[in-house]
Amino acid sequence: EDKVVQSPLSLVVHEGDTVTLNCSYEVTNFRSLLWYKQEKKAPTFLFMLTSSGIEKKSGRLSSILDKKELFSILNITATQTGDSAVYLCAVEAQGGSEKLVFGKGTKLTVNP
Amino acid sequence: ETGVTQSPTHLIKTRGQQVTLRCSSQSGHNTVSWYQQALGQGPQFIFQYYREEENGRGNFPPRFSGLQFPNYSSELNVNALELDDSALYLCASSPYGLAGGGTDTQYFGPGTRLTVL
Repeated sequence: EDKVVQSPLSLVVHEGDTVTLNCSYEVTNFRSLLWYKQEKKAPTFLFMLTSSGIEKKSGRLSSILDKKELFSILNITATQTGDSAVYLCAVEAQGGSEKLVFGKGTKLTVNP
Repeated sequence: ETGVTQSPTHLIKTRGQQVTLRCSSQSGHNTVSWYQQALGQGPQFIFQYYREEENGRGNFPPRFSGLQFPNYSSELNVNALELDDSALYLCASSPYGLAGGGTDTQYFGPGTRLTVL
């Protein structure tokens, strides 16, 4: 069965800190790994990763995928209170529907 | 904002009742997926519709059913509601990429919070 495990489940930091969120996965016929940010309701898309070792960046956020070791990390530098949210990792398998298998998420709290 | 809309935003029902949730896809997207997110959990895949046909289903009982319409909007129907059906129901739309061999991001709507008493 396809599985995604995120760690830590919860993290509290101070503004300005750098954080690393982890996502490991087991999936048959891996196709892509996605990161989403969920503040209140709708998960908002951050990154889609399909190739190993290629870092994707968007402002203070970056992410990289290791398909050999089956994990991904999401880095946030110089955190701000607005980064407080649940960060969800999901994987998509090839074949059939484009279903996403999500982890439980990492709840990040950034204190001023 | 993604352009995916859902209605209603909140809903309270009692056990045994039936509910219909609605989703309008982002313009140009012909695939809609539905997810259930219980409190403190990640979203779980219910099913997906592509061009009005079911295109994959998660581990949910038959009392969860859906429809997709010619304009690609979609409905999720749940019969015989149970307390454990209380959750945030999310729909996500994407342009279907498998035919072209590519991957397409799923964009989520704001969700419907369903409470079953």
